Amino acid sequence: EVQLLESGGGLVQPGGSLRLSCAMSGITVTNYDISWVRQAPGKGLEWVSTFSASSSTSTFADSVKGRFTVSRDDSKNTLYLQMSSLRAEDTAIYYCAKDEWDYGMVVWGQGTTVKVS
Amino acid sequence: DIQLTQSPSSLSASVGDRVTITCRASQSIASYLNWYQQKPGKAPKLLIYVASTLQSGVPSRFSGSRSGTDFTLTINNLQPEDFATYYCQQSYGTPWTFGRGTTVEI
Repeated sequence: EVQLLESGGGLVQPGGSLRLSCAMSGITVTNYDISWVRQAPGKGLEWVSTFSASSSTSTFADSVKGRFTVSRDDSKNTLYLQMSSLRAEDTAIYYCAKDEWDYGMVVWGQGTTVKVS
Repeated sequence: DIQLTQSPSSLSASVGDRVTITCRASQSIASYLNWYQQKPGKAPKLLIYVASTLQSGVPSRFSGSRSGTDFTLTINNLQPEDFATYYCQQSYGTPWTFGRGTTVEI
C-alpha cells in the first residue's frame, strides 16, 4: 500500500524558514513525481510545486517561486519542501501527493499544518 | 494560467438525490480534468480522472463527463458519506489549477 506522511509543520514568524518532509512507503521516491498542494484555513486547494523524479527538477507556483525549494533524500525515501521568507499568506495545511499527471494526484498524505504569525 | 470556474459553490441535497457539479475551463484542456472529494479534516481523495474515468474503488454512482471546456461531476443516489466538498483540477499544463470547490450539504 502506498502511503505518504508529511511532517515538519509548526508555528514560525514572518520571514522565517521551515522544512517539511514527505516520507513515502510502498513506492520509491526516485520513481514517482510528487506534488505539494496547500490549503489555507477555510479555503480551497492551491498547487505549490511538483518534483519530477526523472529530471530531479521542480516547478513552483508563482506565489512561492524564489522562496521555496524541493530536495530529495533517496536513502530515506523522503522528499523535502524547504520554505523560506515565510509570509502570513503561507499559513496552510500542506499536503504531498503522488502525482500521475494526466491521471491526477492519486495518493495524498494526511497533511502538516504551517502557521506563520 | 488555466482558470477553472466551478459551480455552484454550495448546494443542499438529500439522501437519494442526483447532484450535478460543473467546472468550466478558461481554455481547451482536452479531457485532462480530475475530480476530488474532500471531507472535513481529511486530505482530498481522487474520484475521477481524465474527465470520466472512475478511480479504482470509487462507487459507480459517481460519474464524470465533458462537453468542450465544460465538465460535469454527477452523483446519483446521494449517500450520507457523499456530503463533502468537491474540487475539479486540470492536468493539461502547469501550473496545475483547481476550481474553488463545491460543498454538498444536507
